Amino acid sequence: TQLLEQSPQFLSIQEGENLTVYCNSSSVFSSLQWYRQEPGEGPVLLVTVVTGGEVKKLKRLTFQFGDARKDSSLHITAAQPGDTGLYLCAGASTGTASKLTFGTGTRLQVTL
Amino acid sequence: GAVVSQHPSRVICKSGTSVKIECRSLDFQATTMFWYRQFPKKSLMLMATSNEGSKATYEQGVEKDKFLINHASLTLSTLTVTSAHPEDSSFYICSATFGQNSWGAFFGQGTRLTVV
Repeated sequence: TQLLEQSPQFLSIQEGENLTVYCNSSSVFSSLQWYRQEPGEGPVLLVTVVTGGEVKKLKRLTFQFGDARKDSSLHITAAQPGDTGLYLCAGASTGTASKLTFGTGTRLQVTL
Repeated sequence: GAVVSQHPSRVICKSGTSVKIECRSLDFQATTMFWYRQFPKKSLMLMATSNEGSKATYEQGVEKDKFLINHASLTLSTLTVTSAHPEDSSFYICSATFGQNSWGAFFGQGTRLTVV
């Protein structure tokens, strides 16, 4: 069974602080995706990383895929209250490209 | 981006009754749809994979007779929770992809099921 462990599980920070969320596995994935989910809604895709070592930036969010394609990180610079939500990483395996394994989730709360 | 619509967003039903949840891809043909269950403050747990025109593939531990999935067209999949019990109360979410797409899934807005 593939497992994706996220850390930390919960993070409460003040506006303007930086943070990093980690997503780790012992399995290799063909791609890894990050989603943000708000209460009572479905997850929304933020980014997909495909190549080992790949770095993608989305405004204040920086995503990195590990060289071995087993792990990923999400770094948020100058967090804002609008960043509050549940962050989920999800891995797709070769051969079952559209089937995702979701990480354990990181709940982020950004306060004023 | 692609739009996936899930209906209803909330439903309350009596114990022993059945509830149907619809998942529609509005602007693309979804070759594969997935159904997830999410417990409070937890991640998504895959229940089953639904391919148009064929039987759904259920994950280990998911009762296929209790959670009936029908994928009759490329834009619609339904999940029916049969003989619902309070322990079936949960947040159910569908997602849709097209082709062997590893670029990301598009999720519905979820359905909050409460069985009383």
